[in-house]
Amino acid sequence: AQSVTQLGSHVSVSEGALVLLRCNYSSSVPPYLFWYVQYPNQGLQLLLKYTSAATLVKGINGFEAEFKKSETSFHLTKPSAHMSDAAEYFCAVIMNSGYSTLTFGKGTMLLVSP
Amino acid sequence: NAGVTQTPKFRVLKTGQSMTLLCAQDMNHEYMYWYRQDPGMGLRLIHYSVGEGTTAKGEVPDGYNVSRLKKQNFLLGLESAAPSQTSVYFCASSSVPGQGYYGYTFGSGTRLTVV
Repeated sequence: AQSVTQLGSHVSVSEGALVLLRCNYSSSVPPYLFWYVQYPNQGLQLLLKYTSAATLVKGINGFEAEFKKSETSFHLTKPSAHMSDAAEYFCAVIMNSGYSTLTFGKGTMLLVSP
Repeated sequence: NAGVTQTPKFRVLKTGQSMTLLCAQDMNHEYMYWYRQDPGMGLRLIHYSVGEGTTAKGEVPDGYNVSRLKKQNFLLGLESAAPSQTSVYFCASSSVPGQGYYGYTFGSGTRLTVV
């Protein structure tokens, strides 16, 4: 079984501040991990993915995430927030075995103020 | 490439009506999925398919049926719509997990309102 917990349904930052969105997962086998972004009234766009290569993963728009097996975490960060980063972010996990399907966290809405 | 295409994009149904949502992918993916998205709930899996002619239940399958008669198409049906099925529906497809796995490709969604 697998599950995803995203801490904080809403995160507010000022423009230029560090963005940190937290994601913890549980999985009985080595996982693949993903972050998706959803802008208002749009579909889901892949930000970045971890598929058992480098533990520090760089994605689009300056985001990155680090896979920490000991902490079962895959937190998303960006050094300096931009107004255009305001969106909802979803962490997702899939087990690297069998007919596993992608399980999503409940999402974190990122609010960026001037 | 179009990727994953969902039709229709918007629909309003009356309680008890039926409808079919169509998902088409042109990436030759084996796996296809239907999710629903509700505020504060993230995305929840309704049904999925690991190949032509096969389907399986996800987390929230009640009230929905699916069919995968062709590899590129995955249909989601509502036989008797209920207000609780008001949601945004996303279709996705993927290759088989393994080396070079890229995760899911999502369609742009179908916003369904049941009144």
